[in-house]
Amino acid sequence: ELKVEQNPLFLSMQEGKNYTIYCNYSTTSDRLYWYRQDPGKSLESLFVLLSNGAVKQEGRLMASLDTKARLSTLHITAAVHDLSATYFCAVEPVSYSGAGSYQLTFGKGTKLSVIP
Amino acid sequence: KAGVTQTPRYLIKTRGQQVTLSCSPISGHRSVSWYQQTPGQGLQFLFEYFSETQRNKGNFPGRFSGRQFSNSRSEMNVSTLELGDSALYLCASSRLGLAGGIYTDTQYFGPGTRLTVL
Repeated sequence: ELKVEQNPLFLSMQEGKNYTIYCNYSTTSDRLYWYRQDPGKSLESLFVLLSNGAVKQEGRLMASLDTKARLSTLHITAAVHDLSATYFCAVEPVSYSGAGSYQLTFGKGTKLSVIP
Repeated sequence: KAGVTQTPRYLIKTRGQQVTLSCSPISGHRSVSWYQQTPGQGLQFLFEYFSETQRNKGNFPGRFSGRQFSNSRSEMNVSTLELGDSALYLCASSRLGLAGGIYTDTQYFGPGTRLTVL
């Protein structure tokens, strides 16, 4: 059974600070996604990481993937209040041929609060 | 381009009743997945449909079922509702595309249907 663990689950940080959210998963050959969810809202796709060493950046967020360590990180640089939300990582098993399973297993989410 | 739409947005039912939720995917998307989100269990995969066929199913009882129509719209049904079925039900659609030279299917989520079972 695929397990996805995120930590921390809760993160309170001051504006301007840097921090990293970690996502560990238990199987290999996977695709990894990061999503953002605002209170009462749906999930917004942030990043898709497809291969070992993949790094994606968008504004103050940067995601990376280490498939050998089965670890993805979401790094926040110089946090601003607008980044307050819950961040989920999700893993999609893929076959040896690279075909996706369309079945995402999510971590519990990291609730980020950025304090002005 | 319109996003994934779900109806209704809010629903209140009583135990023992059944409910049907609807999802219209993004135009051109043929895969539709359903997820249940609760505070205790988090986000859990229910099932996925492609071209009217269920390809994957999560670990949920048979009371949870779904179907997909020829226009890719999908419905999910929950029969004999239990209190524990209260949740946000999210639908996601995806279309095979290229990202970084690799085929992938990012799932785009709808706003969800908030189901409350009394």
